[in-house]
Amino acid sequence: NAGVTQTPKFRILKIGQSMTLQCTQDMNHNYMYWYRQDPGMGLKLIYYSVGAGITDKGEVPNGYNVSRSTTEDFPLRLELAAPSQTSVYFCASSYRGDGNYEQYFGPGTRLTVT
Amino acid sequence: AQSVSQHNHHVILSEAASLELGCNYSYGGTVNLFWYVQYPGQHLQLLLKYFSGDPLVKGIKGFEAEFIKSKFSFNLRKPSVQWSDTAEYFCAVKSNQAGTALIFGKGTTLSVSS
Repeated sequence: NAGVTQTPKFRILKIGQSMTLQCTQDMNHNYMYWYRQDPGMGLKLIYYSVGAGITDKGEVPNGYNVSRSTTEDFPLRLELAAPSQTSVYFCASSYRGDGNYEQYFGPGTRLTVT
Repeated sequence: AQSVSQHNHHVILSEAASLELGCNYSYGGTVNLFWYVQYPGQHLQLLLKYFSGDPLVKGIKGFEAEFIKSKFSFNLRKPSVQWSDTAEYFCAVKSNQAGTALIFGKGTTLSVSS
């Protein structure tokens, strides 16, 4: 299993540009998440999904959109990038059914908006 | 709202010293608690977790944590640290609202000198 994969690893955007951060998991997990990590601030939840076709906002959803058309993929869309979106983005997944709740994280995408 | 507090922002130890990292959570109901570690340049990995039962839980690499319900605490310990334990450590609690998403503390950076 590759686990949770994310692309790209690094990206520099200009203010106002858009991009999609890709996330794929091959563990057949039903739950998927997007977090952002800012220095000294821990991780904050952007969006999450409990299954294909179902998404919901987390703590910091403004400026982002998500979709979940398949179990495996959970892309994060940034529209009109702003410097405040400079961060490291982590995708994670977990399986709801076994009561484990352990989340498996991808390697992250480091995004800089200038 | 649920929250997690980590008392130490940066801890510096010599090899073989004992480690204790503090973590307090705010929610008074049933909690699922986690400690994750992020080694330099790597993604988050699960160290250990507590769901129920024995309040002293053992994780990987010699780490353990004690759940003290009366103190709302879940402190991480290791009797003797190694240089390879240099990393950032995050305490987290499962959200009782956003699916099985995690609410993270701000993290503690541990630097171990050889």
